[in-house]
Order: sequence, then C-alpha cells, then structure tokens
Amino acid sequence: DIQMTQSPSTLSASVGDRVTITCRASQSITNLLAWYQQKPGKAPNLLIYGASNLKSGVPSRFSGSGSGTEFTLTISNLQPDDLAWYYCQQYKSYPWTFGHGTKVEIK
Amino acid sequence: QVQLVQSGSELKKPGASVKVSCKASGYTFTSYPINWVRQAPGQRLEWMGWINSNTGNPTYAQDFTGRCLFSLDASVSTAYLEINSLKADDTAVYYCATKMVRGPYPVDVWGQGTTITVSS
Repeated sequence: DIQMTQSPSTLSASVGDRVTITCRASQSITNLLAWYQQKPGKAPNLLIYGASNLKSGVPSRFSGSGSGTEFTLTISNLQPDDLAWYYCQQYKSYPWTFGHGTKVEIK
Repeated sequence: QVQLVQSGSELKKPGASVKVSCKASGYTFTSYPINWVRQAPGQRLEWMGWINSNTGNPTYAQDFTGRCLFSLDASVSTAYLEINSLKADDTAVYYCATKMVRGPYPVDVWGQGTTITVSS
C-alpha cells in the first residue's frame, strides 16, 4: 500500500497568513493526489484534484502543487472559515490512502 | 442536484450486524461507482473499497475483507454497506462517496455520514 505522510499535524496561524501543508507519498503517484477539507461533524469536501487543479467553486486562496512523491497545499490569506482538518489522498492505486490530516487553527 | 443521503445512526452490541444505506439522486445511479470510507474517532479517513454501480461487482480493501459486504439495489438507486460480527473497533462514521468524472479522479460527492457505535 502507498503510505501518505502529512505535516504538520497541527498549525496555528492568524487571519491573513499564508499557510502550507506538506504531503509525501511512499512511492511515486505522479499527480494523482487530492486535498480535502473537513469541518467538524461534516463530510470531507474536495478542494484540489490532480495535485494542482482547483475544484469549481473552491476559493482561489487554495492552491496545490507537486508531483511524484512531494505535494503541498497552500492557503493564502487565511480566513476564519478555513478552520478545519485537511487531508491528502492518493488515487494512483488501490487501496486509496489518506494522510493523517492537518488541523488548521486560527490564532 | 447530485446528492447521497445515508441512513441514520445506529447503536449495536458486539457480535451484531448493521446495514447502512446510501440513496443517490440527481444523476444516473448506474453510471458511477460508490465508494465507502470509514473514519474512526480521532483517526484518519480509511478507504474501505468500492462497488461498480452497473455490474454490482465489489472491490474491498484488505482490512475490510471478510466482515464487510457491499451491495446495491439499482431500482431504488441505493447502495448498502453491511458489517457483520461487529466489534468495538468498528465504532466510526461511515461515508459513501462517488465521483462524477470517469477515469482517474477522486470522489467529490459524499453522503452525510452514518455513525455506528458498537457497545455492550
């Protein structure tokens, strides 16, 4: 199975900050990586697919980059509504696997 | 709009079985697969597997082979997850999810989740 390692586990930032979350795959997944946002008590919501493609309707302050084994999710101009858990997920091969998640807190 | 609506929370005793339903609307049910994802308390999301909504053929992740069963009733656009011989470790939120794009693409439509609590 492909292991997905996310860092940091938690980050605390101020409104307006730029924050970056990293995800590493245990083997190359080309660009078959997704980022999800999950708010408390809710289902995950797809933000990014294909490592860098913003899903329609997702605010442009979210962006993704990377390929192979190293990926990043960047939130520029952090907003109070961005308080959530963020998960990366590879869909290169079965079983699909997720990172442990990053909790984004607002200072 | 495209929607997946799951059945309500369940409280079960160890050893019992549970069947979760996932009703699709807003699209042709047989056109896209249904995936199942588990999230235990404080844990990461775990992909359990998927079922081909056209053929009914299931694929299970290794950790969910044996006690989990995916099925569907296309006549009512509904997929089902059945878990047998429940254990306390099965306590989790279970999500069904699908994708509206063919080919390599992550799931982008999720049910609201069904909480299964296993306790004596």
